[in-house]
Amino acid sequence: AQKITQTQPGMFVQEKEAVTLDCTYDTSDPSYGLFWYKQPSSGEMIFLIYQGSYDQQNATEGRYSLNFQKARKSANLVISASQLGDSAMYFCAMREVPSGGYQKVTFGTGTKLQVIP
Amino acid sequence: DAGITQSPRHKVTETGTPVTLRCHQTENHRYMYWYRQDPGHGLRLIHYSYGVKDTDKGEVSDGYSVSRSKTEDFLLTLESATSSQTSVYFCAIRTSGRATNTGELFFGEGSRLTVL
Repeated sequence: AQKITQTQPGMFVQEKEAVTLDCTYDTSDPSYGLFWYKQPSSGEMIFLIYQGSYDQQNATEGRYSLNFQKARKSANLVISASQLGDSAMYFCAMREVPSGGYQKVTFGTGTKLQVIP
Repeated sequence: DAGITQSPRHKVTETGTPVTLRCHQTENHRYMYWYRQDPGHGLRLIHYSYGVKDTDKGEVSDGYSVSRSKTEDFLLTLESATSSQTSVYFCAIRTSGRATNTGELFFGEGSRLTVL
């Protein structure tokens, strides 16, 4: 079973508009962490935002916010006021500790976002 | 920024030959990870390490082995490379995070491997 599911292979958004990238996860670890990363065409992986499973408030980092719905096991990324530089691949990831194991981080398949002028 | 380097950055090899990719860090982080990135599959975890000589398998470990004899180096070996192992390989370390200790992964620049 997929640990991290990103159902949107590609998305378009108009410049200056907001966009939501979907992510659902599956884990039995009560203490987990969720991340979003950006990968521009140049290939580097850029950390954007983090949400801990016990965090009461949704995480925010500048124009990025994470819509965390624990009961639904979803952790959607919201980008406000999209810019052309936001065009990139976006990955959702989860850190968990498997039973008897150590911290493991798994990624989704990604969403390619294109911002239209 | 965590200092992390991968070598080689590009390699072309032939089917059946052994290949070793090296990941080197300068800051003594305990956790290190190897991923492969392929179109449509995102990043898939191959192996990871939680300390010297402590490693575990990820979701796509078949055909790969790893070693970590020193904190700073995490080696990924393809004993007998196959065309299906053509990919971009990323190494990552778990940092101590920012003030809230988020512990995000910091990635190397990637190693592009082509198996002919």
